[in-house]
Amino acid sequence: RKEVEQDPGPFNVPEGATVAFNCTYSNSASQSFFWYRQDCRKEPKLLMSVYSSGNEDGRFTAQLNRASQYISLLIRDSKLSDSATYLCAVMGGNTGKLIFGQGTTLQVKP
Amino acid sequence: DADVTQTPRNRITKTGKRIMLECSQTKGHDRMYWYRQDPGLGLRLIYYSFDVKDINKGEISDGYSVSRQAQAKFSLSLESAIPNQTALYFCATSDPNVGTYNEQFFGPGTRLTVL
Repeated sequence: RKEVEQDPGPFNVPEGATVAFNCTYSNSASQSFFWYRQDCRKEPKLLMSVYSSGNEDGRFTAQLNRASQYISLLIRDSKLSDSATYLCAVMGGNTGKLIFGQGTTLQVKP
Repeated sequence: DADVTQTPRNRITKTGKRIMLECSQTKGHDRMYWYRQDPGLGLRLIYYSFDVKDINKGEISDGYSVSRQAQAKFSLSLESAIPNQTALYFCATSDPNVGTYNEQFFGPGTRLTVL
């Protein structure tokens, strides 16, 4: 079993839709959680850190469920510009090492 | 100016050649990382360094070596390149004393093709 797993998709949604991605992790000692956005052939860019209590940034909401060992990303009112690959990343303890999921591809269509 | 830069951005080389990928940062971060990305496999950690005197192997270090020449510079070498090292390579930096969760910030990547 991979340490961090995501459904690779692709998720094809119309503009204005709400879409949610999940990411499961196997190491219960994991301490920090992140969502990155990656456009084709570009570097990953930090979208959100995931706080224990959940956090929201505009149309984006991140949640952490420690009991079930997953994090989620909710995107409301999808825009064409949201089309990208979304990578979840998990850091175990204070190792400083990130383990990435394989990414989930989102395609928002007009 | 970009905070994390990588050179070259694209490189085509032949099997058996030695190649070096370079990473520089102006963020003042102590920690630096090298990842490779392959389609369907996500990013995998090759080597990481928490300061100038600290070098650690990551998940897939075989066939690679690194050098931390200064706080701001971290180089990745392929001593004898082979075709399955064809990938997109990213450098990243972080500082646990900056931000809340030791977030990592990535350079623009180097696309390496080994023929």
